[in-house]
Amino acid sequence: EIVLTQSPATLSLSPGERATLSCRASQSVRYLAWYQLKPGQAPRLLIYDASNRASGIPARFSGSGSGTDFTLTISSLEPEDFAVYYCQQRSNWPPMYTFGQGTKLEIK
Amino acid sequence: EVQLLESGGGLVQPGGSLRLSCAASGFTFNNYTMSWVRQTPGKGLEWVSAINGGADKTIYADSVKGRFVVSRDNSKSMVNLQMNSMRAEDTAVYYCAKRGPGDYFDYWGQGALVTVSS
Repeated sequence: EIVLTQSPATLSLSPGERATLSCRASQSVRYLAWYQLKPGQAPRLLIYDASNRASGIPARFSGSGSGTDFTLTISSLEPEDFAVYYCQQRSNWPPMYTFGQGTKLEIK
Repeated sequence: EVQLLESGGGLVQPGGSLRLSCAASGFTFNNYTMSWVRQTPGKGLEWVSAINGGADKTIYADSVKGRFVVSRDNSKSMVNLQMNSMRAEDTAVYYCAKRGPGDYFDYWGQGALVTVSS
């Protein structure tokens, strides 16, 4: 079973700063997605296939990486970006989807 | 516009059963795999189950295998999750999610709160 480990667990930054979130897989994965989760709201797909922005996602969000190391970067934080972020992958065997444990991005 | 609306959440006693439903609209429902994903306070997001568009393939997380059953009714654009032998650790917000063209979830519902407690 592939395990996704996100770091840091909590990231404290100010609006306008750059955020770099990491997701490391225990084995090589083909595709990776990133989601944003805010209290009381539906999760929102940000990035799919490691580096493709989902529809309607601002250009300040970008994804990179391959194999076992992936990064979500927010180039200049807006107030609405403070939330919890999760990475996710799907494995063929055992057939399942897995999420990382999340990174909480909080206002400094 | 894609919409997913969960219903059926509530309070259930340990060992009890509950059925969640998700009504979908805005896309060709029978073309897409649908999943249930839950969010627990301590563990974040956890994928629970998935069912393919033809309803002939289902997969489950080990934590719910043998207790939960996923089904769908393509004529009504609905997906269901029957939860049996429920445990305290099943307490979570349960989301219905549509699989995208690839191995990710492109649309999610607002979630249904399930609490397992005596």
